[in-house]
Amino acid sequence: GAVVSQHPSRVICKSGTSVKIECRSLDFQATTMFWYRQFPKQSLMLMATSNEGSKATYEQGVEKDKFLINHASLTLSTLTVTSAHPEDSSFYICSAVGAAGELFFGEGSRLTVL
Amino acid sequence: AQTVTQSQPEMSVQEAETVTLSCTYDTSESDYYLFWYKQPPSRQMILVIRQEAYKQQNATENRFSVNFQKAAKSFSLKISDSQLGDAAMYFCAYRRSLVGRDDKIIFGKGTRLHILP
Repeated sequence: GAVVSQHPSRVICKSGTSVKIECRSLDFQATTMFWYRQFPKQSLMLMATSNEGSKATYEQGVEKDKFLINHASLTLSTLTVTSAHPEDSSFYICSAVGAAGELFFGEGSRLTVL
Repeated sequence: AQTVTQSQPEMSVQEAETVTLSCTYDTSESDYYLFWYKQPPSRQMILVIRQEAYKQQNATENRFSVNFQKAAKSFSLKISDSQLGDAAMYFCAYRRSLVGRDDKIIFGKGTRLHILP
């Protein structure tokens, strides 16, 4: 089956720094990718829809200047958490849309901001 | 707006027994897709089963089957012969279409399933 890889799987950073998380579709092209945030013991919350070659569409309440999304190629979308603070600590998951419209999920990235 | 409701935050079942997880949803669409995803401790989201709303036949994947009641907007998951590896968080999800690539998937809050040895 299709594989989506996220990197890094875990990252620890200091408050005020920026962190970039990558989401790659390894064996298919994905014009659309989704970014989610998941708090402990909670469901996935959609943050934004990332479309290759265009600006991301953010969900209501998600700060687009805080969470920068770039989908520069058909196999890579990146989420940059800018000026991270402890409240940004969370589990971030991406999913990529396959040729038949199926969703394939990455393994997730755990961000800890000290 | 579409919503997905899972009313059971946690459930437990004895190994080898059968358990049913409940899910209801709300939509004004006539065609859509419903899913059950499993999230084990590794946090990797795994597709368990998918149901197309236009299909009357309930989807089945080995020990997993669904009871899809379109009029009642109900979509329950039955796990037969429960195994220790089935322990996970299960999310019910709705998506309006697969063709519309921007169509968001809407998740329920999840049901944590414990398997008792």
